[in-house]
Amino acid sequence: NAGVMQNPRHLVRRRGQEARLRCSPMKGHSHVYWYRQLPEEGLKFMVYLQKENIIDESGMPKERFSAEFPKEGPSILRIQQVVRGDSAAYFCASSPKVGDSPLHFGNGTRLTVT
Amino acid sequence: DAKTTQPPSMDCAEGRAANLPCNHSTISGNEYVYWYRQIHSQGPQYIIHGLKNNETNEMASLIITEDRKSSTLILPHATLRDTAVYYCIVRVVNDYKLSFGAGTTVTVRA
Repeated sequence: NAGVMQNPRHLVRRRGQEARLRCSPMKGHSHVYWYRQLPEEGLKFMVYLQKENIIDESGMPKERFSAEFPKEGPSILRIQQVVRGDSAAYFCASSPKVGDSPLHFGNGTRLTVT
Repeated sequence: DAKTTQPPSMDCAEGRAANLPCNHSTISGNEYVYWYRQIHSQGPQYIIHGLKNNETNEMASLIITEDRKSSTLILPHATLRDTAVYYCIVRVVNDYKLSFGAGTTVTVRA
């Protein structure tokens, strides 16, 4: 059973470009979560999605950031007009349901903005 | 809003048991204790979780005190590959969020 797959592992963007991060949850998991880890900081919750629905985006910056989890295909975290402060590791996690169900994380996408 | 307290770092010898403490004195009856670890450059890895009973799986054992105010994660035979940051997290039942603190940096030495 494949784990949570994230791609790309590394992404370099110039300031002002767009970054698209992809996450394929584990088979049978319909809940997806995105976390961000800034350099030398802890993991911070960004957004929680179920299929086609954003449930909680309270941790996601209001501007330039968006997330989706379409009926078909991976979840996408999109960052428009990237700035240097967006440089971080972005982790996706998935779970089969909410409640007594661990989140399983991918190995992340490391975004570097030059 | 830290709900857990962990030592910032600890060393242990390869082949010996590693006992990682965690204090969660304000834990509520509807909150689980979860443990994750993050090996350098990888995503967090789920280890184990429990509500009030002790738990064991192929990776580790979780011992929760009777008053639930603290717990210990035990890695029975530490290897060099267990070197990682270990996070103790309190999570409300039916809540979807995990709040990561600073964790304990565990270094396993040969």
